[in-house]
Amino acid sequence: GENVEQHPSTLSVQEGDSAVIKCTYSDSASNYFPWYKQELGKRPQLIIDIRSNVGEKKDQRIAVTLNKTAKHFSLHITETQPEDSAVYFCAASGYSTLTFGKGTMLLVSP
Amino acid sequence: DSGVTQTPKHLITATGQRVTLRCSPRSGDLSVYWYQQSLDQGLQFLIQYYNGEERAKGNILERFSAQQFPDLHSELNLSSLELGDSALYFCASAKDSSTDTQYFGPGTRLTVL
Repeated sequence: GENVEQHPSTLSVQEGDSAVIKCTYSDSASNYFPWYKQELGKRPQLIIDIRSNVGEKKDQRIAVTLNKTAKHFSLHITETQPEDSAVYFCAASGYSTLTFGKGTMLLVSP
Repeated sequence: DSGVTQTPKHLITATGQRVTLRCSPRSGDLSVYWYQQSLDQGLQFLIQYYNGEERAKGNILERFSAQQFPDLHSELNLSSLELGDSALYFCASAKDSSTDTQYFGPGTRLTVL
């Protein structure tokens, strides 16, 4: 089955800096890659997703890049704000179910 | 609000007991997924139902079972509960396939004492 590795497990940045979270996946058939943000005690919420027919997608301060050859994808957050502090999960899906990475705790200090 | 509802919000019970968690998907969504999230753990996929039928199974224990009813709501049954079953249980719904966006419910926090 699919295996998703996510790094780093924790990431501390200063407000205004950029943050990058990286994921690798194992199943070359995977073609859908969502990112979820989860605040403490809350539900995971989709923040951006990308499908395998594109290499990059951007939504305001958030962007995701996908390299299908290398089987890795990354989340980029620019101009970080304290409210960006949360746990971020990447995931990959193809013909089977969504497989999640173990999460990255992002801490943005004012 | 994702449109996915889960009840109850919190559940406290004793070891050996049985509980039922309920999930109502977004209007129009046919797939329901159940996940377990333990402390400091990621989201562990348990089971998926699509239009009333089991479609995929993950790391679901034999003590756990689920079903999806004709109105598409789903229930997750946990029996012979152990301390280690204490966790947040999320359901998510999606239109159809595994590449459709999954929308998560607010979760049920289960505490087994």
